[in-house]
Amino acid sequence: NAGVTQTPKFQVLKTGQSMTLQCAQDMNHNSMYWYRQDPGMGLRLIYYSASEGTTDKGEVPNGYNVSRLNKREFSLRLESAAPSQTSVYFCASSGGTSWAAEEKLFFGSGTQLSVL
Amino acid sequence: GQQVMQIPQYQHVQEGEDFTTYCNSSTTLSNIQWYKQRPGGHPVFLIQLVKSGEVKKQKRLTFQFGEAKKNSSLHITATQTTDVGTYFCAARRRSNYKLTFGKGTLLTVNP
Repeated sequence: NAGVTQTPKFQVLKTGQSMTLQCAQDMNHNSMYWYRQDPGMGLRLIYYSASEGTTDKGEVPNGYNVSRLNKREFSLRLESAAPSQTSVYFCASSGGTSWAAEEKLFFGSGTQLSVL
Repeated sequence: GQQVMQIPQYQHVQEGEDFTTYCNSSTTLSNIQWYKQRPGGHPVFLIQLVKSGEVKKQKRLTFQFGEAKKNSSLHITATQTTDVGTYFCAARRRSNYKLTFGKGTLLTVNP
């Protein structure tokens, strides 16, 4: 039982390059999330998807785009990477279809991204 | 935006000592969750508190939700080296139910 799988685990980009972080969950969850974690900043929500075909902005969406490809997969794209996007990125999922579902989050193992 | 203040930011203890981290909000919360993140790992759900004044225990861990549903605490009795990591609270505010994480408390334990 894999849970939430993220790829890649590590990535180094040059400023201006683009890349897509992949995330897939096998728990038949409705909601999926992308967070970034920076030292001393906790976890900040980038984007959220309550169900296939829907996405919503979180606290820090600028510079990112997302795609909910199907119920299993939720990708995060950086179109033109900047040094400020150096961070650890976590994908997460939960069973509910809205914030009010009050369900726990299951996190992937994270992607460490460095933008030079 | 919603602010969830978590203190302290860091705590270093000797093995066997107790540890407490606090989470505070200026607004009433719908519920609060606690997560643990081991060094180099990802956050893992520990517990959810929903009711005013609720207290839950998991072995040496005690979780409390304040009577006014504006604060919460996690207390570890007799810490062990396996308790090392960052503990996060994550709160939902009654008005919009969005989940906001505190900045976390990094616990280190000296054996």
